[in-house]
Amino acid sequence: DVKVTQSSRYLVKRTGEKVFLECVQDMDHENMFWYRQDPGLGLRLIYFSYDVKMKEKGDIPEGYSVSREKKERFSLILESASTNQTSMYLCASSLGLGSLTQYFGPGTRLLVL
Amino acid sequence: ILNVEQSPQSLHVQEGDSTNFTCSFPSSNFYALHWYRWETAKSPEALFVMTLNGDEKKKGRISATLNTKEGYSYLYIKGSQPEDSATYLCAFKQAGTALIFGKGTTLSVSS
Repeated sequence: DVKVTQSSRYLVKRTGEKVFLECVQDMDHENMFWYRQDPGLGLRLIYFSYDVKMKEKGDIPEGYSVSREKKERFSLILESASTNQTSMYLCASSLGLGSLTQYFGPGTRLLVL
Repeated sequence: ILNVEQSPQSLHVQEGDSTNFTCSFPSSNFYALHWYRWETAKSPEALFVMTLNGDEKKKGRISATLNTKEGYSYLYIKGSQPEDSATYLCAFKQAGTALIFGKGTTLSVSS
């Protein structure tokens, strides 16, 4: 079974703090994704990566950056957290080019005060 | 801007009822249509990935159909059970693009 884990289920941070959300997958997947989910909105793509050290902006990259130094790990960074970044963050991975199914982590619910 | 619409937004059924939801998406440059089930406090889980017009997929009591020419997919649940309570997400993909998710349909099944 594919397993995607996220470092925290719940996180509370203060405005202006630098926040790291970590995601690890154990199935040697090429592609990794970060989404956020807000009430009344669908999952929105923040960034994705199709290889180590490669990254592509999604639909809402502003205020975020990412890092993929190892194939199994994809980090989402909030350089200076703001209250409008309070959300549920989901990480996902997929096998590779042409592979369609995404496998999701359990999510991190972030509250920025 | 590509848009994926799901309806209804939510519904409540009794155990044993059959139900269905709709996902509407752009009919141009179709590549794939996904359905995911997202139970509270769990990870979204893939149900189906469909790529061909007329595709029908089935997994137990859940099935899905796809019409790429008119841009819609139906998800059916036969004989709903309380464990079917979840949010059902559909996601659309064009060639060379990332998945675009709908807002989901939240199903509640009472025993």
